[in-house]
Amino acid sequence: DAKTTQPPSMDCAEGRAANLPCNHSTISGNEYVYWYRQIHSQGPQYIIHGLKNNETNEMASLIITEDRKSSTLILPHATLRDTAVYYCIVKAGTASKLTFGTGTRLQVTL
Amino acid sequence: EPEVTQTPSHQVTQMGQEVILRCVPISNHLYFYWYRQILGQKVEFLVSFYNNEISEKSEIFDDQFSVERPDGSNFTLKIRSTKLEDSAMYFCASSELVGTRVDEQFFGPGTRLTVL
Repeated sequence: DAKTTQPPSMDCAEGRAANLPCNHSTISGNEYVYWYRQIHSQGPQYIIHGLKNNETNEMASLIITEDRKSSTLILPHATLRDTAVYYCIVKAGTASKLTFGTGTRLQVTL
Repeated sequence: EPEVTQTPSHQVTQMGQEVILRCVPISNHLYFYWYRQILGQKVEFLVSFYNNEISEKSEIFDDQFSVERPDGSNFTLKIRSTKLEDSAMYFCASSELVGTRVDEQFFGPGTRLTVL
């Protein structure tokens, strides 16, 4: 699986959009970009994933660059409950392991 | 929404003892996983399981570890002779084989294992 690079931490004011970047310059053509988050030592939680098109669901939007070497997770209106570690993971296939890095610790403040 | 459940939430054991961590995956899921997270470190993959056999395992998953699906609902992780370094949070996860959410792994709340 391709390696990802994320900033170690970010801050965001409540109600504002949180934009979390991820670099995955060695991504292969069959690999998807996944985002999970972990709130204070709870089990990781799936957020969104995509291959090359931008994706949106009820939690977030995922913007993938045309060359697929980087992506951005957008939480449109961050709340205090979005404070968590966000992991960008690149992998091929559905039923395969997730390889977690150190992620980005997002702190949402009042 | 259906959830993965894990028991116990916290297990304390003496070094050298056997422990069994239990998980109930979501009922229509067919892929099962164990991950662990040592305090302050990354979440690490241990093993995946499908069709009553191990699909993939990591270097961590040595002969001291085993997994089993003893009945139609439970999925267990056994550590035969625990070491101090096995102290960690252990997460079970499951995913669908077919359906609209095949790409998601659903994680349980974890079992905190403390080896003394």
